Amino acid sequence: EVQLVESGGGLVQPGGSLRLSCAASGFTFSSYDMHWVRQATGKGLEWVSVIGTAGDTYYPGSVKGRFTISRENAKNSLYLQMNSLRAEDTAVYYCARAVRPPMAAAGTLRYFDYWGQGTLVTVSS
Amino acid sequence: QSALTQPASVSGSPGQSITISCTGTSSDVGGYNYVSWYQQHPGKAPKLMIYDVSNRPSGVSNRFSGSKSGNTASLTISGLQAEDEADYYCSSYTSSSTPMFGGGTKLTVL
Repeated sequence: EVQLVESGGGLVQPGGSLRLSCAASGFTFSSYDMHWVRQATGKGLEWVSVIGTAGDTYYPGSVKGRFTISRENAKNSLYLQMNSLRAEDTAVYYCARAVRPPMAAAGTLRYFDYWGQGTLVTVSS
Repeated sequence: QSALTQPASVSGSPGQSITISCTGTSSDVGGYNYVSWYQQHPGKAPKLMIYDVSNRPSGVSNRFSGSKSGNTASLTISGLQAEDEADYYCSSYTSSSTPMFGGGTKLTVL
């Protein structure tokens, strides 16, 4: 059974840092692109970052330069290092396993087939 | 890059059918057959309901179906049940390669 379990969320002051983790099990972790997606309370889903099977990474402009996605295949783990946090980064953060279109570049999304339960990050003084 | 456009809310009575639309452009929805739909109950993670426009993952009820015409994809739920009340999001492959979601649609079962 595929499982994704996030951890590391919490309350942090503006300008602070936080590191999220996602423990994966039930599948060959190294064979899949992995994403972080966030959702502010009462809002829609927002893509945050992706790391491909070869380690290439992509970010939207809203987090580029502040967030760093990484993976440790030996530990079946995905991470999100978040620096210079802002109030607008407050959200539930989900890790998600992605299926890529055939012959497509790393990080391109066909669909998300499994999601974790999410971890809440609150940025507030 | 703008999100895909979904109606904010739809509603229907038990047993009826409803359709949720997802409108994009020729650079995303209209250009590729990689539209997916997700169901999200309050406080829960999203769940994949439809992928590649019209395919259902194993375990998803056949009351859920997907289609596409031009730049608009649609999710249809037939035989509406109380448990279908949730938020629904569409997503599409894009020519820019970055994932894109719709704004979400709240389904109310009357």
